[in-house]
Amino acid sequence: EVQLVESGGGFVQPGESLRLSCATSGFAFSSYSMNWVRQAPGKGLEWVSYISSSSSTIYYADSVKGRFTISRDNAKNSLYLQMNSLRDEDTAVYYCSSSVGSGWYLPFDYWGQGTLVTVSS
Amino acid sequence: EIALTQSPGTLSLSPGERATLSCRASQSVSSGYLAWYQQKPGQAPRLLIYGASSRATGIPDRFSGSGSGTDFTLTISRLEPEDFAVYYCQHYGSSPPVPYTFGQGTKLEIK
Repeated sequence: EVQLVESGGGFVQPGESLRLSCATSGFAFSSYSMNWVRQAPGKGLEWVSYISSSSSTIYYADSVKGRFTISRDNAKNSLYLQMNSLRDEDTAVYYCSSSVGSGWYLPFDYWGQGTLVTVSS
Repeated sequence: EIALTQSPGTLSLSPGERATLSCRASQSVSSGYLAWYQQKPGQAPRLLIYGASSRATGIPDRFSGSGSGTDFTLTISRLEPEDFAVYYCQHYGSSPPVPYTFGQGTKLEIK
């Protein structure tokens, strides 16, 4: 059974940092590209960041570029999102998702249950 | 960057009826890289359709996707109670550095 489990969310003040993790099992993590997608309360889905299976290719949404860093550890079947200089508008549920294959031209087949990040003073 | 506009914003129908959801792109979507997701309250999105018309694993055949170029449609042939949810279209595989775009969603509610 494919499982993606996010953790690391919480309540922080503007300007602070947070590191999200996504532990995976049940599929060939090291062969699949991964993404982070977020959803602000009551809003739609927003793609945040992409990482290829080998970490050789990384993309970010303009809204987080320069502040967020995506990474992965294929030995631990885990995905990460380091979030620095957090802003109120970063408040959202953050989902990790995987594509079946490695490439940015693939849909998001599997999703975790999400972890809530709240940024507020 | 391609923008996706979904319509209607809210669709009110009864179980057993046919639902037609629209997704329009601001530019032609290359190679039909268009997906549809279903999201129920408190749950993660679920992939329904990819490549504009291919059903994902385990998706009932009452869900179908169609379209090309800039106009795409998700059709639910006969609504079941569990189908009432929010539906998002997504363009994937766009030219980097922004490969992915989501539409704003259509809420399918019980009439």
